[in-house]
Amino acid sequence: DAKTTQPTSMDCAEGRAANLPCNHSTISGNEYVYWYRQIHSQGPQYIIHGLKNNETNEMASLIITEDRKSSTLILPHATLRDTAVYYCISTGNQFYFGTGTSLTVIP
Amino acid sequence: NAGVTQTPKFQVLKTGQSMTLQCAQDMNHEYMSWYRQDPGMGLRLIHYSVGAGITDQGEVPNGYNVSRSTTEDFPLRLLSAAPSQTSVYFCASSPQRWSNQPQHFGDGTRLSIL
Repeated sequence: DAKTTQPTSMDCAEGRAANLPCNHSTISGNEYVYWYRQIHSQGPQYIIHGLKNNETNEMASLIITEDRKSSTLILPHATLRDTAVYYCISTGNQFYFGTGTSLTVIP
Repeated sequence: NAGVTQTPKFQVLKTGQSMTLQCAQDMNHEYMSWYRQDPGMGLRLIHYSVGAGITDQGEVPNGYNVSRSTTEDFPLRLLSAAPSQTSVYFCASSPQRWSNQPQHFGDGTRLSIL
């Protein structure tokens, strides 16, 4: 299973789009890219996942590069409640969580 | 629909004691797993199960046992608690093991070993 690399922390102004990058250069062809977030010490919350195509749901958009070596999670209009740790995971059979990106949304 | 339910929410143990962390899901999911999260760290996989009667080790299995006698329940046992096992424990489930299935997480059990 491929491992991922994310920036340790990021800030975003409230109301602006938050763009969270993730590098998964060793991803294999059948591995999906997942995004979860964790608010305080709650259980991780599923956001979105994709294989090759860009994906969008009510929470976020996921942009995967054509070579699949990296992706970006986009929160279109960040709110204070989006302050959390965001985990990018590329997985075959198991989920490997790294340390994620701590996103702080600033008023 | 309760989702994934973990009990207890908090527990304090003395070194050497044993205990069982309970995890139950009501979504008829085949795949269940246990993670631990240490302060400032991501989640690490302890054990997982792809169905009743089948379990396997994850990244950090030492000191823990699991069993899966029913689809709904996946208890995690600490055989002889050690301070290094102080952590937050999360249980998760998904319809199947395959990678196109998001996992649903419980709210966690916060365990302190003195």
